This record gives sequence, C-alpha cells and structure tokens, in this order.
Amino acid sequence: ELKVEQNPLFLSMQEGKNYTIYCNYSTTSDRLYWYRQDPGKSLESLFVLLSNGAVKQEGRLMASLDTKARLSTLHITAAVHDLSATYFCAVDIESGNTGKLIFGQGTTLQVKP
Amino acid sequence: DAEITQSPRHKITETGRQVTLACHQTWNHNNMFWYRQDLGHGLRLIHYSYGVQDTNKGEVSDGYSVSRSNTEDLPLTLESAASSQTSVYFCASSPTVNYGYTFGSGTRLTVV
Repeated sequence: ELKVEQNPLFLSMQEGKNYTIYCNYSTTSDRLYWYRQDPGKSLESLFVLLSNGAVKQEGRLMASLDTKARLSTLHITAAVHDLSATYFCAVDIESGNTGKLIFGQGTTLQVKP
Repeated sequence: DAEITQSPRHKITETGRQVTLACHQTWNHNNMFWYRQDLGHGLRLIHYSYGVQDTNKGEVSDGYSVSRSNTEDLPLTLESAASSQTSVYFCASSPTVNYGYTFGSGTRLTVV
C-alpha cells in the first residue's frame, strides 16, 4: 500500500526553538514536495526536491531529501509565530514521475510566543 | 497575472442533486487535478487530466466525473450528491510532472 507518513502530526513549540518534521514514504519516487496550508486557506508550494541529496532553504525552513531512505525532513530554525500552519509533504504516486501526488496527513505546527 | 480560480467558494446542496464545481486556470498548464480534503484523510486524488480530451480516474473517483474540452478548464461534476461528498475540494495545475502544483483557493461543499 502506498503511504506517506508525517511525524509528528501536531507540534507545539516555543518561539526561538528548532525542530524537525519527518516525512517517510513508500513509493519509489525520486522527488518530493512540501506545501504549507494556513487555516481555511489553500495550499502553497514551499519546496520542490528533485533528486537524492537535494537540500533547499527558504528563510527559517530547510528541506532535504534522502531517496534511498525514502525520507524527507523539514527543519525549522528559531521558529516564529508566522510559521504556524499545517505542512504537507507529497510524492508521486508512481515511479516514472506521473505528476499524480499522494500527500501525507499533514503536520500542524503551532508556535507560541 | 496568471492564476487558478475555483467557483463557487461555498456551496450547499441537497442529496441527490447534480453539482458542478468549476476550475479555471490561465497558466496554460497541461496537467490539472482535483483533490478532496477531509479531516483524518488528508488530500485524496479524485480525477486528473494531462491535456485536452484526456481524463483519468484517481483514488476516490466514484460518484465524480470530469471533462476537459480546453486547456483552461476542468469542471468536476458530482452526478448525484451524497452526504459523504461533503468536503473541501481543491483544483490544482502544473506545467509538467517535474513541478509541484499550483492550487486553487478551494470550494467548500456541504451536502444536506
């Protein structure tokens, strides 16, 4: 069964702290996507990781991909309240990159002042 | 600016009625997708299209249909709405399989 599992599903943290969200997947996809969703809003693309070892950073967020371990991480550095949102990872449903994505359950991040 | 728009934003309908949700994109993207988002299930793929006249079933396609007569539009039709189809529906598009999606703003559908 195809699975994309995120850990943790809920994360409450203090401003200024660091933390990592994990995304494990069971497909053979070699690319992975991270999205952000604010409450009641749509999903916004954060990162597109296109190969093993890919690392991308934007502000306080850094994403990496290990296709051999089928694992991606989203690292948060010195969290601020504005990062409070739900974060989804997604991978292609099939090998060969069909463009059809399967999403993780989402990790809801709450950053407290 | 290019965009992807969904309409309506909110819809309440009765069980058994046919409902069509619109999705229109001006990115000129070939690939378009419909997902539904439910608590406890995340986002699940309903239907998708790789181009004009191409449509394909996704993971949860029963009770839904789509058509693609032009590049810009992929309307989603619920043939006979059921309470289990109460959900938030997102349309997305992408230029190629190497890019992530651009999502529409979503349609919240309630079937009573």
